Amino acid sequence: EVQLVETGGGLIQPGGSLRLSCAASGFTVSSNYMSWVRQAPGKGLEWVSVIYSDGRTYYTDSVKGRFTISRDNSKNTVYLQMNSLRAEDTAVYYCTRAVGRGDFEYFQHWGQGTLVTVSS
Amino acid sequence: DIQMTQSPSTLSASVGDRVTITCRASQSISGWLAWYQQKPGKAPKLLIYEASSLESGVPSRFSGSGSGTEFTLTISSLQPDDFATYYCQQYNSYWTFGQGTKVEIK
Repeated sequence: EVQLVETGGGLIQPGGSLRLSCAASGFTVSSNYMSWVRQAPGKGLEWVSVIYSDGRTYYTDSVKGRFTISRDNSKNTVYLQMNSLRAEDTAVYYCTRAVGRGDFEYFQHWGQGTLVTVSS
Repeated sequence: DIQMTQSPSTLSASVGDRVTITCRASQSISGWLAWYQQKPGKAPKLLIYEASSLESGVPSRFSGSGSGTEFTLTISSLQPDDFATYYCQQYNSYWTFGQGTKVEIK
């Protein structure tokens, strides 16, 4: 059974840093496209970042230069390092596993989410 | 960037109603579209992928159609468990979600 468990959320002051973790089971993260998706309170879903199976990484414009996605194959875990946090980064962050055909992959599996609150 | 626009934003319906939600893409995405259902405090759940393919375990009252820039999600007979927010998502070029459609009890 596929499982994704996010940890690392919490209350952080503006300008601070936080690292989210996504521990996966039931599949191998290095063989899949793994993404982070966030949802601000009362708002819709926003894709944040992806790490492809070949290691390439991409980010939505609003987090470029501040967030870094990575993975540890030995721990089957994906990370999101978030620096220079802003109030507008406040959201529930979901880890997702994409499946599909070639470069066209949708989010079949989702974690339960972890809340990040940026506030002084 | 590809923008996704859903309509309506809110839909009031009764159990047993046929419900249709529309999603428009700002440019052609072929059939690379998914639909998700989200209930309060829960993660989104995949319903439909490739515009019209039903995810395993999803009831057959859910169906999707469309290609290019116009897509629809239809619930043939609304059930109590279906009151939720629905999102479309393009995955032709990275990933973009629609703003969501909340289906509420009439």
